[in-house]
Amino acid sequence: NAGVMQNPRHLVRRRGQEARLRCSPMKGHSHVYWYRQLPEEGLKFMVYLQKENIIDESGMPKERFSAEFPKEGPSILRIQQVVRGDSAAYFCASSLAGDTGELFFGEGSRLTVL
Amino acid sequence: QKEVEQNSGPLSVPEGAIASLNCTYSDRGSQSFFWYRQYSGKSPELIMSIYSNGDKEDGRFTAQLNKASQYVSLLIRDSQPSDSATYLCAVVNTGGFKTIFGAGTRLFVKA
Repeated sequence: NAGVMQNPRHLVRRRGQEARLRCSPMKGHSHVYWYRQLPEEGLKFMVYLQKENIIDESGMPKERFSAEFPKEGPSILRIQQVVRGDSAAYFCASSLAGDTGELFFGEGSRLTVL
Repeated sequence: QKEVEQNSGPLSVPEGAIASLNCTYSDRGSQSFFWYRQYSGKSPELIMSIYSNGDKEDGRFTAQLNKASQYVSLLIRDSQPSDSATYLCAVVNTGGFKTIFGAGTRLFVKA
């Protein structure tokens, strides 16, 4: 499967724990985007990364959230000290070029905070 | 003002009818516009892109763009029950670093 791969698909955490979401982009894509989607709401941009670089993190909360896309391995979205309000679906998308809106999405990671 | 606005719906049309979905955006410098379809519980899927004023047709789908009015629309002809989904309008911001999505319009096609 050469599509965007996200894992885990479902993650349950208790308040105060850490959540790590992983994303492997489509083969040949080096641009990765993370979006958050709350029930019945649209996709909210969080961060845009290229290999080893954060290009735009204007949608990331200032605290507890971080993202990386290392030279080797998947992109990781990390949420520290989770709170109930972090419960959402987190979608990763990749693109061939960075200045296009032609995004290919993974199946998403659904985080539930108890 | 939201960056990309859509009527949340739901929009209900009978099978075989034309469904018309609308979107406005605030960034006057935007040059790239997209429609994504999202089935319930699934991920968004790109169905149309449009970059120039006017109409672009692809099968039963027609995207329309009017940059002067900052307006994008999607027409679905001969609507089918399988078209029932949420349709997300997306705009690449000036500078091209991020794609901004509207909240989506829910479409129901009644058999």
